Amino acid sequence: GIQVEQSPPDLILQEGANSTLRCNFSDSVNNLQWFHQNPWGQLINLFYIPSGTKQNGRLSATTVATERYSLLYISSSQTTDSGVYFCAVHSGTYKYIFGTGTRLKVLA
Amino acid sequence: DAGVIQSPRHEVTEMGQEVTLRCKPISGHDYLFWYRQTMMRGLELLIYFNNNVPIDDSGMPEDRFSAKMPNASFSTLKIQPSEPRDSAVYFCASSISGTHQPQHFGDGTRLSIL
Repeated sequence: GIQVEQSPPDLILQEGANSTLRCNFSDSVNNLQWFHQNPWGQLINLFYIPSGTKQNGRLSATTVATERYSLLYISSSQTTDSGVYFCAVHSGTYKYIFGTGTRLKVLA
Repeated sequence: DAGVIQSPRHEVTEMGQEVTLRCKPISGHDYLFWYRQTMMRGLELLIYFNNNVPIDDSGMPEDRFSAKMPNASFSTLKIQPSEPRDSAVYFCASSISGTHQPQHFGDGTRLSIL
């Protein structure tokens, strides 16, 4: 099956800093989503992005499907951005595979 | 619009008891997913349904686990008998078929088996 790797595993930032999170996948995919799991455990959908670039406020994401990776950019980070960021992919069967996540802590 | 609704939010029970987790998907969504999250294994897909029919249950860990979807607005995940290693957060998610349609997750059920 598809392997999904995320990096870095942990990230600590000062409020206001920018960051880039990476998701590598081992095979072609039909769907790629980025999620934020907040400190209360809720999984919030950030982007559906199997290819191309999308932006939503301070967050943006780019997926280069031919090179099998996706990047999530967080600009001007805030303490509320803390949590775990996951990418999830499937290759057409709706059988989603999640990465192991990047744990982000933003310090005030 | 209401999101995916899971109940209970927390469940604590003793080993050997039957546990039933419930999920109401978003109205109009035809895909429903059950996931389990643990520290050791991360987020794992257990089973998913399309139009109330189980499509892939290869992630169900063993015969003690079963899932049903009797209608488009309700699904259950049952563990019988429960064991301490089943302790985890169980999430339900739903989506609508077609391109560019993301999954939407419920708030999860935190299950502790003593």
